[in-house]
Amino acid sequence: NAGVTQTPKFRVLKTGQSMTLLCAQDMNHEYMYWYRQDPGMGLRLIHYSVGEGTTAKGEVPDGYNVSRLKKQNFLLGLESAAPSQTSVYFCASSLRLAGGPGDTQYFGPGTRLTVL
Amino acid sequence: AQRVTQPEKLLSVFKGAPVELKCNYSYSGSPELFWYVQYSRQRLQLLLRHISRESIKGFTADLNKGETSFHLKKPFAQEEDSAMYYCALTGGGNKLTFGTGTQLKVEL
Repeated sequence: NAGVTQTPKFRVLKTGQSMTLLCAQDMNHEYMYWYRQDPGMGLRLIHYSVGEGTTAKGEVPDGYNVSRLKKQNFLLGLESAAPSQTSVYFCASSLRLAGGPGDTQYFGPGTRLTVL
Repeated sequence: AQRVTQPEKLLSVFKGAPVELKCNYSYSGSPELFWYVQYSRQRLQLLLRHISRESIKGFTADLNKGETSFHLKKPFAQEEDSAMYYCALTGGGNKLTFGTGTQLKVEL
């Protein structure tokens, strides 16, 4: 039982390049989330998904796209990377929505992305 | 809108001293509050939530609706408590709002 895994762990991009971050969970969780963590800003929600085939915008969605084609996977895409997207990206999943039993979010180890 | 404020970026205490990590929130309804912790080279994980009224690793947190606070406390700090602590809130919707975090450093 690996929990939440993220691929890759590190990546360096040039401005304008594209990439996809993969999040996978083996806990059969319905809900998945993508956050970015920046110094002095805490964790900010980028996009989230309440189930296979559904996605929704979070607090800072601009410049990112997501897809949830399979229940266990949640992909975060950067179509044209910008230096402002340099950050540590965390994926999380939960059994239920925030605010109820089983809503504990389980986090992945993070992906450190640098955009030059 | 929901908002979480952690006024201290860094809190440094000596081993055995009491610890209080401050968290204030802004939310018009009845919030649920959490403390998450990130130890060095480990992933972020839930420490405790107010609805459980539990003590985890000696830490407790009481929700004070009058002061809109959810401070995290421990009577005697241990070296292994050194970590990044995040206060988080949900208004019963589908997402957590995190504070900016407080780095706790326990010195010998």
